[in-house]
Amino acid sequence: SQQGEEDPQALSIQEGENATMNCSYKTSINNLQWYRQNSGRGLVHLILIRSNEREKHSGRLRVTLDTSKKSSSLLITASRAADTASYFCATDPSGNTPLVFGKGTRLSVIA
Amino acid sequence: EAEVAQSPRYKITEKSQAVAFWCDPISGHATLYWYRQILGQGPELLVQFQDESVVDDSQLPKDRFSAERLKGVDSTLKIQPAELGDSAMYLCASSHAGDSPLHFGNGTRLTVT
Repeated sequence: SQQGEEDPQALSIQEGENATMNCSYKTSINNLQWYRQNSGRGLVHLILIRSNEREKHSGRLRVTLDTSKKSSSLLITASRAADTASYFCATDPSGNTPLVFGKGTRLSVIA
Repeated sequence: EAEVAQSPRYKITEKSQAVAFWCDPISGHATLYWYRQILGQGPELLVQFQDESVVDDSQLPKDRFSAERLKGVDSTLKIQPAELGDSAMYLCASSHAGDSPLHFGNGTRLTVT
């Protein structure tokens, strides 16, 4: 079963624009992670945010977490064509259990 | 940077045949996962190993799927017999214990005809 639900399912933007993806989940979590997947490849870890954190940055990535609303957002600033990929949120309920992935957002960045 | 190795990269098999996938995790990673990803969906857990022991196989269809990690290093996932609905990407991932991020291999794309 999949806990996270990403929104939108697909997003198309111009190079240089910002891309925002949202994730909602159902149960309490220890942490939430974002992964990227290029077509036909494995997933690559982007960033992890713990339940006691509200915001985290890594390069052009900014992640927020609102545990009261059970939601997270991933912002990619100044997007590039190379950012074209599917992005998945994954929740970890207890810190030592398998991640539960959402269905993903397909991002297309047009040069 | 060390990678998770998976083989084969692609596999085409006829229904009712047996098929096996292999995974070699990053050295030192005690935890190994097999996920299945249907096209357009997120990965779904099949089985989790801690060293050589199965921690979670609640979503593994045990009538046809089996997984082993005999020496606590590499792992094999087997399907016998394969069904049309098994067509998917099979992803292996490994991590240190606890809430460490997962490192994924590039998967095996299975097509059952």
